[in-house]
Amino acid sequence: DVKVTQSSRYLVKRTGEKVFLECVQDMDHENMFWYRQDPGLGLRLIYFSYDVKMKEKGDIPEGYSVSREKKERFSLILESASTNQTSMYLCASTQGAEDIQYFGAGTRLSVL
Amino acid sequence: RKEVEQDPGPFNVPEGATVAFNCTYSNSASQSFFWYRQDCRKEPKLLMSVYSSGNEDGRFTAQLNRASQYISLLIRDSKLSDSATYLCVVNGLGGYQKVTFGTGTKLQVIP
Repeated sequence: DVKVTQSSRYLVKRTGEKVFLECVQDMDHENMFWYRQDPGLGLRLIYFSYDVKMKEKGDIPEGYSVSREKKERFSLILESASTNQTSMYLCASTQGAEDIQYFGAGTRLSVL
Repeated sequence: RKEVEQDPGPFNVPEGATVAFNCTYSNSASQSFFWYRQDCRKEPKLLMSVYSSGNEDGRFTAQLNRASQYISLLIRDSKLSDSATYLCVVNGLGGYQKVTFGTGTKLQVIP
């Protein structure tokens, strides 16, 4: 069974703080993704990575960066958190380009 | 026009009813299609893939209509446990790993 683990279920941070969201998958998947999900907007892709040290911008990369130093781990970084980054963040992984996405349980981030 | 569109609902149906959702997509070059289910405050999970020939899994049937550019999900004999949001996912709309999610259709099955 594929397992995608996100380090925190809930986080509360202050405006201007640097925030790290960690995601680890245990199935040796090539591709990893970070999404945010907001009511009425659905899931929006922030960044994805198709290999170690590779990253590609998604639809809404502004205010975020990512790091993939090891195949199993994909980190999302908010350099200076802002209130409009309050959201549910979901990590996912897939093996092939059009394969099923497996999601982590999500991190609900509140920026105060 | 949005790349992937779904009626947000909610669809309120009695137990035992049959309910159908559609999802339209704008790019005719889209390659693969899925339905995911998302329970309240949980992550999306794959419900079923959608094949050109259509596919069925128990009470659930998925269809693809390439000519009209939509996919559908039919749920027969609705159960209370079917209450969730159903997300349509379309792959291959452009660029590497371009995956687009619909905003979801909320289903509430009523006793």
